Amino acid sequence: AQSVTQLDSQVPVFEEAPVELRCNYSSSVSVYLFWYVQYPNQGLQLLLKYLSGSTLVKGINGFEAEFNKSQTSFHLRKPSVHISDTAEYFCAVSEAGGSYIPTFGRGTSLIVHP
Amino acid sequence: NAGVTQTPKFQVLKTGQSMTLQCAQDMNHEYMSWYRQDPGMGLRLIHYSVGAGITDQGEVPNGYNVSRSTTEDFPLRLLSAAPSQTSVYFCASRSSGGQYNEQFFGPGTRLTVL
Repeated sequence: AQSVTQLDSQVPVFEEAPVELRCNYSSSVSVYLFWYVQYPNQGLQLLLKYLSGSTLVKGINGFEAEFNKSQTSFHLRKPSVHISDTAEYFCAVSEAGGSYIPTFGRGTSLIVHP
Repeated sequence: NAGVTQTPKFQVLKTGQSMTLQCAQDMNHEYMSWYRQDPGMGLRLIHYSVGAGITDQGEVPNGYNVSRSTTEDFPLRLLSAAPSQTSVYFCASRSSGGQYNEQFFGPGTRLTVL
């Protein structure tokens, strides 16, 4: 069965600094990987997803993530964050041919300080 | 398209009261699901449905009932509210055809049980 671990519950960072939010998954089959963002008092929206092909995936708002099969990771990065990036970020995994519902990590709270 | 809509946005209940959280989507998605979000716990799956007339339990189903009489609607019923059900509830939907399809989330219902 699939599982997802987000290694940091909270990541504080200063504005314009780079950031990496870590996500590791566990699965014995091919996977699809997602990052969702939840701004304060809102629902979740898709940031980016990895289906196949290039391991570097670009998403909205300047975020990108790299799929590393050998390390079973899908870390999210942004070279320069803004105050408006303050939000909760969720990593999720679906197994090819597996459950109808993806498995979500517990979330990482990104706090951007001025 | 309105996407996924949820009503009400906020609700306060007394212990023992019942209520129904409404969820509707206009994207003709087969799969719908309910999550609750609590601090430090991420998103936990309550119930899900893979089509009209078909529902199944998720990780934390106790105290909740669902039904799916139409493709569009997926209400969540609290039969006898308890303080432990104080949470933010999210409804989500996605199309069938593959686990690579992302989920679309509603804006959430913030429920307080006194």
